[in-house]
Amino acid sequence: AQKITQTQPGMFVQEKEAVTLDCTYDTSDQSYGLFWYKQPSSGEMIFLIYQGSYDEQNATEGRYSLNFQKARKSANLVISASQLGDSAMYFCAMRAVTDSWGKLQFGAGTQVVVTP
Amino acid sequence: EAQVTQNPRYLITVTGKKLTVTCSQNMNHEYMSWYRQDPGLGLRQIYYSMNVEVTDKGDVPEGYKVSRKEKRNFPLILESPSPNQTSLYFCASSPRPGLAGGSEQFFGPGTRLTVL
Repeated sequence: AQKITQTQPGMFVQEKEAVTLDCTYDTSDQSYGLFWYKQPSSGEMIFLIYQGSYDEQNATEGRYSLNFQKARKSANLVISASQLGDSAMYFCAMRAVTDSWGKLQFGAGTQVVVTP
Repeated sequence: EAQVTQNPRYLITVTGKKLTVTCSQNMNHEYMSWYRQDPGLGLRQIYYSMNVEVTDKGDVPEGYKVSRKEKRNFPLILESPSPNQTSLYFCASSPRPGLAGGSEQFFGPGTRLTVL
């Protein structure tokens, strides 16, 4: 079974600084995908970034990058130049080939508050 | 507009009164899922479907039923709701994942359910 762990329940970050959100995962599958989602206070789930287990390069999407360390089974999200609008809950998630990609496992989330 | 819709958005009901939360997507996605979100637990998958008439249990299926008679619809049924099913529910859909599971999930706006 897959498992996702986010060890940081919450954190404060100053505007314009970079922040790293930790995510570790556990799976015996060789083929899997890792995702990060953002949930602002309005409640909607917003897809941020994806990393496949066979991708050799770290994924990047604008100010978001995923620091993928396969041997350590970690997939940390880095947000560069934080903005006030980045204040939200962030979830790491994964899916694996074992369940025909049907199961998506989420971590407990990290609440980020960006201060001026 | 490509979207996942859920109805109702808010529901207050009483223990034991059967209810259905509807979910519909207009993107011709094969995969659909239901999640519940509770504080400190992240999102937990209830059921998922990989195609019409193909459904499977997620991590927390007890007390829920689903059906997938049409590709676009994936209703969640609570036949005898109990207070511990009070939660925020999300429906999501995605295309069939590729070799590395890389298709993002598109989430509905959520349904906040309170069972008294």
